[in-house]
Amino acid sequence: DGGITQSPKYLFRKEGQNVTLSCEQNLNHDAMYWYRQDPGQGLRLIYYSQIVNDFQKGDIAEGYSVSREKKESFPLTVTSAQKNPTAFYLCASSIWDNRYEQYFGPGTRLTVT
Amino acid sequence: GENVEQHPSTLSVQEGDSAVIKCTYSDSASNYFPWYKQELGKRPQLIIDIRSNVGEKKDQRIAVTLNKTAKHFSLHITETQPEDSAVYFCAANNAGNMLTFGGGTRLMVKP
Repeated sequence: DGGITQSPKYLFRKEGQNVTLSCEQNLNHDAMYWYRQDPGQGLRLIYYSQIVNDFQKGDIAEGYSVSREKKESFPLTVTSAQKNPTAFYLCASSIWDNRYEQYFGPGTRLTVT
Repeated sequence: GENVEQHPSTLSVQEGDSAVIKCTYSDSASNYFPWYKQELGKRPQLIIDIRSNVGEKKDQRIAVTLNKTAKHFSLHITETQPEDSAVYFCAANNAGNMLTFGGGTRLMVKP
């Protein structure tokens, strides 16, 4: 289970608070991704980053923010503007030129009450 | 943009039987179709993929078929075992060269 890690595994927050999810990889991959997983909806892309200091919105970026200051790290902040933040969040990484072969982290289950 | 639909959403089979999961996609330019397996509480893992220049690919008990004309592809698992129980996701690459995922199929293999 090495290579790409996410912490914590479970996270609980009160409504109205921002929360940051961690994602770290030691695979030397240049690209990193954040997905949200809801029951019956598969994985939906929130943000992705091709290279350090660069990132792009995915299909459901509203209410989320990211940073990519280091190649190894791609933290995701779930802001209070995200209307329905409770979900399972998956981080992934890949070589950009082979971006279809994505390696996933173990995920963080966020519950906001 | 690309739309990927996956059926069925749940599938229950007896151990030793075959299981088939089907996906359809909308973008005729898509040319890469991976399948992921996600066991309960674990990360999705790539189990097999196919590119549009072939019609079928096999790896031991799993196989994937692709029909480009009809824009659908299927995962076939033969001689199912209890450890095959998981959620399976199909995906297709989209115009932005990202992956669009299907909604997932929960496969239950009954011993």
